[in-house]
Amino acid sequence: EAQVTQNPRYLITVTGKKLTVTCSQNMNHEYMSWYRQDPGLGLRQIYYSMNVEVTDKGDVPEGYKVSRKEKRNFPLILESPSPNQTSLYFCASSEHRDGNYEQYFGPGTRLTVT
Amino acid sequence: AQKITQTQPGMFVQEKEAVTLDCTYDTSDPSYGLFWYKQPSSGEMIFLIYQGSYDQQNATEGRYSLNFQKARKSANLVISASQLGDSAMYFCAPGGYQKVTFGTGTKLQVIP
Repeated sequence: EAQVTQNPRYLITVTGKKLTVTCSQNMNHEYMSWYRQDPGLGLRQIYYSMNVEVTDKGDVPEGYKVSRKEKRNFPLILESPSPNQTSLYFCASSEHRDGNYEQYFGPGTRLTVT
Repeated sequence: AQKITQTQPGMFVQEKEAVTLDCTYDTSDPSYGLFWYKQPSSGEMIFLIYQGSYDQQNATEGRYSLNFQKARKSANLVISASQLGDSAMYFCAPGGYQKVTFGTGTKLQVIP
């Protein structure tokens, strides 16, 4: 079964305490992305990766880091979280295969920074 | 920054009827395709349909079809034979495989 997993699903933390949200996919997709969703808004892209060791900034990269050391994993790192990073985070993986495009999202991680 | 306009913040449709959700965008990048996503009230994000910039025919995926008019920078989603489970937020997102920008969404409610 195609799956994107994220952990944790819910996290409450304090300002400045480093955290990592993990993302893993089992479809051998090349592309992976991180998004955040704030109330009343669509998703905004934080970072994306086109393959192992290839990452680039999305629209709102400030305050975030990513790495892609293995194809299946794409962790999101908040070195020093701040309250304005309180949000719902989605990881996604995708690929264009055999003329068809497929994309799957993780279930989301709800982060609260106090 | 690219601007995406989904002019219908909320819409109602009768069950079994067809509905069109509008989306316009202002990118000048000719390589941009168009994605549509669904987000039910449960919160998950679901990819629905994609059409590449150079695809000649409008994309279809089951009851979903795209009315992609590049010259007008418009890519409307048509849902045929609406079902109660279609009630959700719908987001359009122009972009490439890696980088997309989401609109603010249209909330669709299907009435029995």
